Amino acid sequence: ETAVFQTPNYHVTQVGNEVSFNCKQTLGHDTMYWYKQDSKKLLKIMFSYNNKQLIVNETVPRRFSPQSSDKAHLNLRIKSVEPEDSAVYLCASSYPRDTEVFFGKGTRLTVV
Amino acid sequence: GEQVEQLPSILRVQEGSSASINCTYENSASNYFPWYKQEPGENPKLIIDIRSNMERKQTQGLIVLLDKKAKRFSLHITDTQPGDSAMYFCAASDSGYNKLTFGKGTVLLVSP
Repeated sequence: ETAVFQTPNYHVTQVGNEVSFNCKQTLGHDTMYWYKQDSKKLLKIMFSYNNKQLIVNETVPRRFSPQSSDKAHLNLRIKSVEPEDSAVYLCASSYPRDTEVFFGKGTRLTVV
Repeated sequence: GEQVEQLPSILRVQEGSSASINCTYENSASNYFPWYKQEPGENPKLIIDIRSNMERKQTQGLIVLLDKKAKRFSLHITDTQPGDSAMYFCAASDSGYNKLTFGKGTVLLVSP
């Protein structure tokens, strides 16, 4: 049963365009994340927010910018996408410490 | 930061046999070690986890072992079934905000 909802499911765009992905969780968690899963299935954290505050910001190109309006919502904007941005972007949520991280079904981005 | 190595990358077993996946980590401060199962086209789902105050945990045909001195943890699936075929990820968390570093994944193939 999904409790982390992501939109859109898929997005195909051209190099240089801007895209935005949305995520909402209904679990009452304080912490939300963006993970990137590439074509080799490698899962890497990009950002983490706790109660609307950015707490983890991995080495991610500056064209990526997350935004959180409240602890249940976390969006991701990518300005001027590049081919290497093609991946599945997984939103997730959890309580802050050492607890299960729940993943959404992901947004598959294809940059042509 | 943390680095997690996972082996093997592909594991083929016969139905009814056991399967073992091994992971090592670098950061001795890591204290939470979850295992996720991801089926094709689906999101990763937690199957079992262990915290650093435990050495062994078992649930529903899954056993996870943790050796903190060796910085090693492992997943053992007993009596494998075709439905166990999937990608499995180990992860380690070394921060108070549940930042997970994932291994590269193991494709488990269970043949009838």
